[in-house]
Amino acid sequence: DAKTTQPNSMESNEEEPVHLPCNHSTISGTDYIHWYRQLPSQGPEYVIHGLTSNVNNRMASLAIAEDRKSSTLILHRATLRDAAVYYCIPLIQGAQKLVFGQGTRLTINP
Amino acid sequence: KAGVTQTPRYLIKTRGQQVTLSCSPISGHRSVSWYQQTPGQGLQFLFEYFSETQRNKGNFPGRFSGRQFSNSRSEMNVSTLELGDSALYLCASSSSWGGRTDTQYFGPGTRLTVL
Repeated sequence: DAKTTQPNSMESNEEEPVHLPCNHSTISGTDYIHWYRQLPSQGPEYVIHGLTSNVNNRMASLAIAEDRKSSTLILHRATLRDAAVYYCIPLIQGAQKLVFGQGTRLTINP
Repeated sequence: KAGVTQTPRYLIKTRGQQVTLSCSPISGHRSVSWYQQTPGQGLQFLFEYFSETQRNKGNFPGRFSGRQFSNSRSEMNVSTLELGDSALYLCASSSSWGGRTDTQYFGPGTRLTVL
């Protein structure tokens, strides 16, 4: 399994952008990077995924480094509801399982 | 479309007992995965099923078992419960299996307390 490194915690203010980094230097060339988040007292929820180029959806943007050894999840305008633990997870072919690291606990200040 | 449902939501058992947890995936989803979440170990993969076949298993003792039915519903069983089995057990479903772009949808979990 590819190993990931994320900061244990981050803090930001409401309505400001948040950049959540993830290092995944052992990722293979065909592994997609997935991001999930877990809000308090809920199961994890999917945020976004990508392979090589930057990706956008209604929740967030994902910027993947050219060498694919790191990626950054971008929340453009954080709200209080974005306070959660964020996990970056490489997903390999032929295995559905998600290998969760410790994730980044994001705190949003009003 | 209804989300992933898990029953029961809360359960209290004593050491040595066994327990069965149930998961109903999103309609049309054929893949179900199970995870255990504890404060000390975080989220850990238990096993995954697709078309009634176990496709992958995590590093858990044989006391943990599961199955999937023809309607894609899944159950997991833990026998001879230990205090350390106290955890939140999460089920996730996906429309397919094995693809690197598959999205998993999680249920709210079953909180198991072993006394």
